[in-house]
Amino acid sequence: AQKVTQAQTEISVVEKEDVTLDCVYETRDTTYYLFWYKQPPSGELVFLIRRNSFDEQNEISGRYSWNFQKSTSSFNFTITASQVVDSAVYFCALSERYGGATNKLIFGTGTLLAVQP
Amino acid sequence: KAGVTQTPRYLIKTRGQQVTLSCSPISGHRSVSWYQQTPGQGLQFLFEYFSETQRNKGNFPGRFSGRQFSNSRSEMNVSTLELGDSALYLCASSLGPGDYEQYFGPGTRLTVT
Repeated sequence: AQKVTQAQTEISVVEKEDVTLDCVYETRDTTYYLFWYKQPPSGELVFLIRRNSFDEQNEISGRYSWNFQKSTSSFNFTITASQVVDSAVYFCALSERYGGATNKLIFGTGTLLAVQP
Repeated sequence: KAGVTQTPRYLIKTRGQQVTLSCSPISGHRSVSWYQQTPGQGLQFLFEYFSETQRNKGNFPGRFSGRQFSNSRSEMNVSTLELGDSALYLCASSLGPGDYEQYFGPGTRLTVT
């Protein structure tokens, strides 16, 4: 069965620290997509990244980087030199291709990141 | 380009009433999905629509229904509201099913009293 686990419920760091948010997934499919979203207090889910299962290259976007490892079924997210504006809930999500193309996302429970000044 | 818009943003209803929520996707996007977010259950998939057809449905009772119009706008309806339906309802749009990024709207906060 498909499942996304974000074991870290809450993380608190001081500004300028690096922080890694963990995401472990389970899927029966060989073709799937992984996502990260940010949810600030306003409630809107902000798209951060989409990665397909055939692309294991790590990605860097400014202070954000992602490490995808199929061998451990993990898709971890690192924020370098964290800032107060990074404070939010971060969700990892999985979308499978089993049974046909779909946009159905299976979300993890989210990690609340608090960056203290 | 305008983002995903959802109306209304806030809604208060009484148990037993029904409610209709609206979602307008990003221009050019033809796929719309709906999610319910509650503190207890987290983010759960409700439905997915593409070209006016429901492609996928989550594990919700029949009181939850939806539809998509020819202009890709979508509505979801909840009949006979229960207290447990209080939630943030989020809509996501994408170009199509499967291979595209999905962008979310600001959500509709529904409170059932």
